[in-house]
Amino acid sequence: SSKLTQPLSVAVSPGRTASITCSGDELRNKYACWYQQKPGQSPVLVIYQDNKRPSGVPERFSGSNSGNTATLTISGAHSMDEADYYCQAWDSNTGVFGGGTKLTVL
Amino acid sequence: EVQLVESGGGLVKPGESLRLSCAASGFTFSNYNMNWVRQAPGKGLEWVSTISTSTSYIYYADSVRGRFTISRDNPKNSLYLQMNGLRAEDTAIYYCARTWGGYDSWGQGTLVTVSS
Repeated sequence: SSKLTQPLSVAVSPGRTASITCSGDELRNKYACWYQQKPGQSPVLVIYQDNKRPSGVPERFSGSNSGNTATLTISGAHSMDEADYYCQAWDSNTGVFGGGTKLTVL
Repeated sequence: EVQLVESGGGLVKPGESLRLSCAASGFTFSNYNMNWVRQAPGKGLEWVSTISTSTSYIYYADSVRGRFTISRDNPKNSLYLQMNGLRAEDTAIYYCARTWGGYDSWGQGTLVTVSS
């Protein structure tokens, strides 16, 4: 099965832009999703089909998918955005998650 | 409001069995593919299994195939995961999740601990 690779951690200053990458073979041919998970909470879908935001997700969250890399961008990061972020895609009907990236806002 | 409530977790010994349940409400359960996703303590998310709306399609992660069985009861708005031959590495919080675009709704999870 395919593997999705994310950086372990990303740091951003409040109000600046954070980018989290997700790399995988043939990712350009798949839809990527992104999930936010805060400590002690269930994951929340923040991006689906590469760049679509579910209702209720702030506009500062955006996504893109090009080449073999999907990217989650948080424009104007808030302290409340500090969390773990996971990318996910489907490979032959099986779900595959990246290892997760801890976003620190400081 | 979409709600998914898992139950059935607990402490079991290696080799034993457990059946997880997920009660769905707030949406037409029979219209959605459903999934189990787990998270070992301090670790990342791992997809476990998917079942289609009418159970025509069922998929498992290699790590659980042959030991776990996913099922659903649409009239009862319920999803299940029968787990046999449990191993220490199956210790995790198990979430049920609905598929729509991505996994768009998640339960609060139920903790399964496998230890002698």
